Amino acid sequence: NAGVTQTPKFQVLKTGQSMTLQCAQDMNHEYMSWYRQDPGMGLRLIHYSVGAGITDQGEVPNGYNVSRSTTEDFPLRLLSAAPSQTSVYFCASSLGSPRLHEQYFGPGTRLTVT
Amino acid sequence: EDKVVQSPLSLVVHEGDTVTLNCSYEVTNFRSLLWYKQEKKAPTFLFMLTSSGIEKKSGRLSSILDKKELFSILNITATQTGDSAIYLCAGVEGSQGNLIFGKGTKLSVKP
Repeated sequence: NAGVTQTPKFQVLKTGQSMTLQCAQDMNHEYMSWYRQDPGMGLRLIHYSVGAGITDQGEVPNGYNVSRSTTEDFPLRLLSAAPSQTSVYFCASSLGSPRLHEQYFGPGTRLTVT
Repeated sequence: EDKVVQSPLSLVVHEGDTVTLNCSYEVTNFRSLLWYKQEKKAPTFLFMLTSSGIEKKSGRLSSILDKKELFSILNITATQTGDSAIYLCAGVEGSQGNLIFGKGTKLSVKP
């Protein structure tokens, strides 16, 4: 049982490049989400999914796309990277509503856009 | 607009001190409040509070929720250097269970 895994751990991109951050969980959790964390800020929700085939926008969705083709995987795509997307990205999963269990976080991806 | 406000934003204490961290919230269709500890990696879960007035305890940490006044506190007694971390508070909103995070309180415990 690996929990929530994220790859890569670190990434440097040039402005305009695209890439996909991977997230997978092996706990059969319905709910998965992506957050970004900037210095001095809490975590801000980018996108979330309540089950396979269902995604929705969070607080800061611009510049990011997601899909949920399986229960296990929830990749985050940066379409055209910008310096403002330099951040630490966390993926999380939980059993979701109405069972209010804590969210399990992945180890994070530190992304730098130059 | 949903918001969660934590205070203080940073705090420096000495080992053995007792600290109280504050969290106030305005969250649509509030379901529960979560506390996390974040060291140099991912947040780790501490407490989930759903009912008012019922204290949750784990060792030297305890937390309580006041749903009338819309706040929660996290207490840490006899602090140790290992308690140094960012403590995050999050409100769980609506039917999807999305988390609204505060900015966190950075606690530094000096020997």
